[in-house]
Amino acid sequence: GDSVTQMEGPVTLSEEAFLTINCTYTATGYPSLFWYVQYPGEGLQLLLKATKADDKGSNKGFEATYRKETTSFHLEKGSVQVSDSAVYFCALSRGTGGFKTIFGAGTRLFVKA
Amino acid sequence: DTGVSQDPRHKITKRGQNVTFRCDPISEHNRLYWYRQTLGQGPEFLTYFQNEAQLEKSRLLSDRFSAERPKGSFSTLEIQRTEQGDSAMYLCASSLAGEDTQYFGPGTRLTVL
Repeated sequence: GDSVTQMEGPVTLSEEAFLTINCTYTATGYPSLFWYVQYPGEGLQLLLKATKADDKGSNKGFEATYRKETTSFHLEKGSVQVSDSAVYFCALSRGTGGFKTIFGAGTRLFVKA
Repeated sequence: DTGVSQDPRHKITKRGQNVTFRCDPISEHNRLYWYRQTLGQGPEFLTYFQNEAQLEKSRLLSDRFSAERPKGSFSTLEIQRTEQGDSAMYLCASSLAGEDTQYFGPGTRLTVL
């Protein structure tokens, strides 16, 4: 069945460092790919998405590119801030699956001032 | 538009008791999804509705769990004879049919003592 694998955390970075969180997926067909963020004490928020191969999703300085050939959707940010400290979830959904979302286990990011 | 709301936000119960959670989706959204998130994991799909019809149930949803959406608006998730393993965050999300983006509520955190 469909699945998402993302790098284990926690990831600890200093402010203004470069961030990469790796994500790979297994799915039939052409799923939509997502990154969600969960700040402490808050619900899941959609950060960005991409719906077809080579699409780049971007939001708040974060980017991820849908790579069909490597089945990957790595999250990047050029310069992290303390306020980016949160748990990040990679996810996919397919229309033939009713768009139910399959999530990775999450990667916790700590950014130090 | 007030977003997806869930009630209660927290529930503490004793093993063997029944609990019921409510989800109010975004008003024009005809699809409603339930997920369960345990500590340190990503959300896992439980079930979803299109209008009042329950279209899919995960194998995670044992026969102690039942979900309804009687008028195609709000939904309830009931857990009968709760067990300690039911302790988790229960998330609700909504979307328009045919769209891949879901909007999540804040969740109901269940603790079974």
